[in-house]
Amino acid sequence: DSGVTQTPKHLITATGQRVTLRCSPRSGDLSVYWYQQSLDQGLQFLIQYYNGEERAKGNILERFSAQQFPDLHSELNLSSLELGDSALYFCASTPRQANYGYTFGSGTRLTVV
Amino acid sequence: QKEVEQDPGPLSVPEGAIVSLNCTYSNSAFQYFMWYRQYSRKGPELLMYTYSSGNKEDGRFTAQVDKSSKYISLFIRDSQPSDSATYLCAMSEGGSEKLVFGKGTKLTVNP
Repeated sequence: DSGVTQTPKHLITATGQRVTLRCSPRSGDLSVYWYQQSLDQGLQFLIQYYNGEERAKGNILERFSAQQFPDLHSELNLSSLELGDSALYFCASTPRQANYGYTFGSGTRLTVV
Repeated sequence: QKEVEQDPGPLSVPEGAIVSLNCTYSNSAFQYFMWYRQYSRKGPELLMYTYSSGNKEDGRFTAQVDKSSKYISLFIRDSQPSDSATYLCAMSEGGSEKLVFGKGTKLTVNP
């Protein structure tokens, strides 16, 4: 157990729907990162939050949004889902900067049908 | 040109072989270099971390960074079937809050 908890583990939903993925960071970590992993693109950075504030944005679609709450857990909201959004979504956390690497959760596998 | 290039393999070796995994990169500002191991359907786990150029050894694993060539390597000695996984390189700029990952190399060690 890495200490980073992601729920749910699996999600199957229809096109056009909206889902919420949840992440609880490792105890003491203030930074939360969201990554999308697909077979052809590898791990793609989506967004980072630090202590409740958005810190960096990557290749995140406008249909996707995220937030980090006062208790430091984070949620990634995916709306108007398309077949191409099917992927593994990982959350990772660090105390602050990424220099020493992240601790990843076990991921949420999203399947859009 | 992608920031980080990694041969996806797959790579298949017999148990006990020495494995060499590599990544090249284009961003000269990268200073922190990592290797992650990802088992099927699991999250990546940090295996090795190196700052700037040089070598780092941890048991059967050795990480090398050559900043002049923009090239990093991971060597696995006496490979075991339990080493079968996808290996991802990752790197970041000094003070950055983002890691850039290679696509990963899938390794199979055959008993």
